[in-house]
Amino acid sequence: GQSLEQPSEVTAVEGAIVQINCTYQTSGFYGLSWYQQHDGGAPTFLSYNALDGLEETGRFSSFLSRSDSYGYLLLQELQMKDSASYFCAVRNYGQNFVFGPGTRLSVLP
Amino acid sequence: DVKVTQSSRYLVKRTGEKVFLECVQDMDHENMFWYRQDPGLGLRLIYFSYDVKMKEKGDIPEGYSVSREKKERFSLILESASTNQTSMYLCASKEAETQYFGPGTRLLVL
Repeated sequence: GQSLEQPSEVTAVEGAIVQINCTYQTSGFYGLSWYQQHDGGAPTFLSYNALDGLEETGRFSSFLSRSDSYGYLLLQELQMKDSASYFCAVRNYGQNFVFGPGTRLSVLP
Repeated sequence: DVKVTQSSRYLVKRTGEKVFLECVQDMDHENMFWYRQDPGLGLRLIYFSYDVKMKEKGDIPEGYSVSREKKERFSLILESASTNQTSMYLCASKEAETQYFGPGTRLLVL
């Protein structure tokens, strides 16, 4: 089967750094994406990794290790507005995407 | 800005009814997707389309069909709604590796 695993919940305080891990087991692999979804809102794209290594976009960074079938999203200088659910997603073949169950991040003052 | 719109935010239907969910994107994207989102399960792909009249099944196509007669419009059809199809339905269009999601339709089947 195909599956992605993420922690269900993460809690951190404002200004801290948090890492959300994602491990995947899929029939194919083109790349790993991350999406953010606030309560009641639509998912919005954060990042995409096709190759091993770290990609940085402002306060957010995303890492991929294809050999370990593992990636993570790193959020720095946490702000209250970062409280949301975060989903990893694998494009496994063609335009077929498999999403993880999501990680709910709570940022405390 | 890319805009993806869905025909309804909330919908209540009865078991056995035929249900149409419509999605329109304004950016001439070739690829469009329908997902359902349920708590603890993330987003699950129902169908996707990579061109007009072209479609492929995702992971959970049973009980659903789709139609793409025009590039900007992708419709999801529940032929005979059942209570286990109560869910949030999200449409997306894709450019490069970015999917742009609509606001979602929360469907309740009674």
